[in-house]
Amino acid sequence: NAGVTQTPKFQVLKTGQSMTLQCAQDMNHEYMSWYRQDPGMGLRLIHYSVGAGITDQGEVPNGYNVSRSTTEDFPLRLLSAAPSQTSVYFCASSYAGQGVKNIQYFGAGTRLSVL
Amino acid sequence: GQQVMQIPQYQHVQEGEDFTTYCNSSTTLSNIQWYKQRPGGHPVFLIQLVKSGEVKKQKRLTFQFGEAKKNSSLHITATQTTDVGTYFCSGGGGADGLTFGKGTHLIIQP
Repeated sequence: NAGVTQTPKFQVLKTGQSMTLQCAQDMNHEYMSWYRQDPGMGLRLIHYSVGAGITDQGEVPNGYNVSRSTTEDFPLRLLSAAPSQTSVYFCASSYAGQGVKNIQYFGAGTRLSVL
Repeated sequence: GQQVMQIPQYQHVQEGEDFTTYCNSSTTLSNIQWYKQRPGGHPVFLIQLVKSGEVKKQKRLTFQFGEAKKNSSLHITATQTTDVGTYFCSGGGGADGLTFGKGTHLIIQP
């Protein structure tokens, strides 16, 4: 199993450009999540999904869109990139379980710079 | 979702000293998880605690879950340079378990 795969690993954008960060998992996990990590801010939840066709907002959703058409994929879209979106982005997946099985498996991350 | 608070935010220790980080919640947690992130890496799951008062050990790491299930601690005995990184906790089931504390950065001076 590859686990959680994120692409690209690095990206530089100009202000106003759009792009999609890809995330795929091969563990048949119900939950998938996107986080951004900035110095001193920890891991902040952007959007998450509890299953195909179902998404919800996290702590910092503004400026990002998501969709979950399949169990495996959970892309994150930046419609008009801003310098404030410069960050490291992590995708994670987990089982739903009965509240005790939601161990998160993280991808390697995407390092995004917006100029 | 449930919010967990971690202290301290940064901890400098001399190699060989012990280290402890704490995770606190204002509400009762169904479970708590600990993760470690090495510099430049991604968070990796360490352990999950479920029962009130539970204590688990992994070599030099000792994890505790409070009796009231509102707090937890991670203690490292005799730190080594390989322990450098950020330690995160996450608490609760379902979508609540998707929220993390801000982490404790462990810096080790040789």
